[in-house]
Parts: sequence; structure tokens; C-alpha cells
Amino acid sequence: NAGVMQNPRHLVRRRGQEARLRCSPMKGHSHVYWYRQLPEEGLKFMVYLQKENIIDESGMPKERFSAEFPKEGPSILRIQQVVRGDSAAYFCASSPLAVGSGSLYEQYFGPGTRLTVT
Amino acid sequence: GQQVMQIPQYQHVQEGEDFTTYCNSSTTLSNIQWYKQRPGGHPVFLIQLVKSGEVKKQKRLTFQFGEAKKNSSLHITATQTTDVGTYFCAGRAGNLIFGKGTKLSVKP
Repeated sequence: NAGVMQNPRHLVRRRGQEARLRCSPMKGHSHVYWYRQLPEEGLKFMVYLQKENIIDESGMPKERFSAEFPKEGPSILRIQQVVRGDSAAYFCASSPLAVGSGSLYEQYFGPGTRLTVT
Repeated sequence: GQQVMQIPQYQHVQEGEDFTTYCNSSTTLSNIQWYKQRPGGHPVFLIQLVKSGEVKKQKRLTFQFGEAKKNSSLHITATQTTDVGTYFCAGRAGNLIFGKGTKLSVKP
């Protein structure tokens, strides 16, 4: 049973380019979460998606960032016109059910995509 | 907004010494989870605590959830070099809010 897959593992972009990060959840999981981790920092929640729906994007910057989880295929986190401050590790996690109040399901994390903006 | 504070930020111990990290929330949590992230790796789920005052053990690791469900701790007895990594707590009051983690280094 494959775990959460993320690709690419490392991504280098010049300022102003677009970064596209992909996440395939674990088999049977329909809930996906994206987090950003700066060096020596904790994980900052960005967005929570179910298939074809954005449930909570309260942690995502209003501009340049977007996320989707189509009916078919992986979840995509897109960063347009990247800036140096976007350099970070981006982790995707999945769970079988909604991770809301009272839910007992942990999140399974992918290996992350390390984005470097030059 | 809701915050989850974790202390200490760093802890250096000699192999065999004990280690404790503490997690405090500004609001009451419905549950709390603990994760471990090895250097260069990704967070891996360790445990979830749900009940007020709950204590759970995993070999040398002891996890506690406070009576008021606002704080939690992770204690490692007799650390080993394999315990090296960053330990994160994550509290739930809606979404999962992660603390900044405690980075543990163990000197052999």
C-alpha cells in the first residue's frame, strides 16, 4: 500500500516563474491537506481539500497561491510568480475521513517538495 | 487566532538522559496529536490523545493530555540516538494547528 506521494521532491524556480506541486493521497483517502514548513519552523496549514472541493483555504495567501483536487488525478498546489520568500518545504497529508472536531484520524504525510526560488 | 506553543525549541541531551517537551494551547482542544520528524524527513504520526487527563505510553515515550485539555507533554525516558528529530504537537479546535516543534539532539 503506497503512502502519500509527492512530486517533484525538489523544485528550483527563478523569481516570477510558476511552481506546480503534486500530491497523490494514500489509496482510499479522499481528504488532502497542504502545509508549508520554513527552515527551523513548524508546519503551517494552508488548505484542506476533498475531491473537487476546497473545504478550508484560510491558511493560504490570497494572491498567487491556488489549490485543486480534481475528480481524477493528484491534488495540485500552484504558486504563480514565485518570490524568494516562497522557498520552503511543502508537505501534503491525507486522511481517510475529515479531520475535524471529534475525528480520531491522523494525517499521513508525504515526503514533501522542497521549493527553492533563486 | 488559536495558537499552540511548544517549549523548549531545542534540547540537547546526553544519551541515556530523559527528555520532555511541552505543548500549550490558547484554547481548549478537542484532541491533540504528536508527530516526529527526522532531519530531512517528513512528519510521522506518533499518537493521539482525546480524553481529559489521558496518559498513553509507547515503550520509552509517555504522552499526557492535561485535565483542562489545553496542554500536553511528551516524555522520553533514557534517550537513544534514534530519538533524534523534531517533535511536534498538533492541537485541534477546528483545523489541526501545529506547534513549532522541539528539536532534540542526542549526544552518544
